[in-house]
Amino acid sequence: DAGVTQSPTHLIKTRGQQVTLRCSPKSGHDTVSWYQQALGQGPQFIFQYYEEEERQRGNFPDRFSGHQFPNYSSELNVNALLLGDSALYLCASSSWTTGGDTQYFGPGTRLTVL
Amino acid sequence: QKEVEQNSGPLSVPEGAIASLNCTYSDRGSQSFFWYRQYSGKSPELIMFIYSNGDKEDGRFTAQLNKASQYVSLLIRDSQPSDSATYLCAGWGYRGTASKLTFGTGTRLQVTL
Repeated sequence: DAGVTQSPTHLIKTRGQQVTLRCSPKSGHDTVSWYQQALGQGPQFIFQYYEEEERQRGNFPDRFSGHQFPNYSSELNVNALLLGDSALYLCASSSWTTGGDTQYFGPGTRLTVL
Repeated sequence: QKEVEQNSGPLSVPEGAIASLNCTYSDRGSQSFFWYRQYSGKSPELIMFIYSNGDKEDGRFTAQLNKASQYVSLLIRDSQPSDSATYLCAGWGYRGTASKLTFGTGTRLQVTL
């Protein structure tokens, strides 16, 4: 049973650039949530996708956008990168039909903005 | 006030002792609570979840929930050096049309030999 996968593992970008991160949910899951975790902090909710729609968004600017595909995989896009965007980006998958509460995390993508 | 609060630690316990990790929350709409373990440089790993008031045991772990006091705890019995990690408490509830996990900042646990 494949767990949540994310790519790439690490990424280095410069200020102003754009980045796309990818996530495939756990088998049987249909909901993907994205989180940003800065060093020494807990994960912060960015947004959640279900049925290819953004269902909920946290306190993140419009520079952060996403997409969900028919196979439930998802992308997170960040435009006009800032130094403060350097963080571990986590994807979590869950099942909407069973309540969506139990979320399993992927290994994360470490983004460094120089 | 943060929605979910944890003492950042570090909490240091000797091997074989009981580690007690605590968490308080402010949103009474939170319906269930989760404990994740996170090793340095790794992603959070789900340990336990609890929905109802009282205790829930799973092996060496016991989660406790008191909704009246808005308090959640995790007890780790017979602590092992491999338990040394940051433990994240998260509350879950519906916000509009979607569910959302809200995390605390985590408590760093050190199990000493």
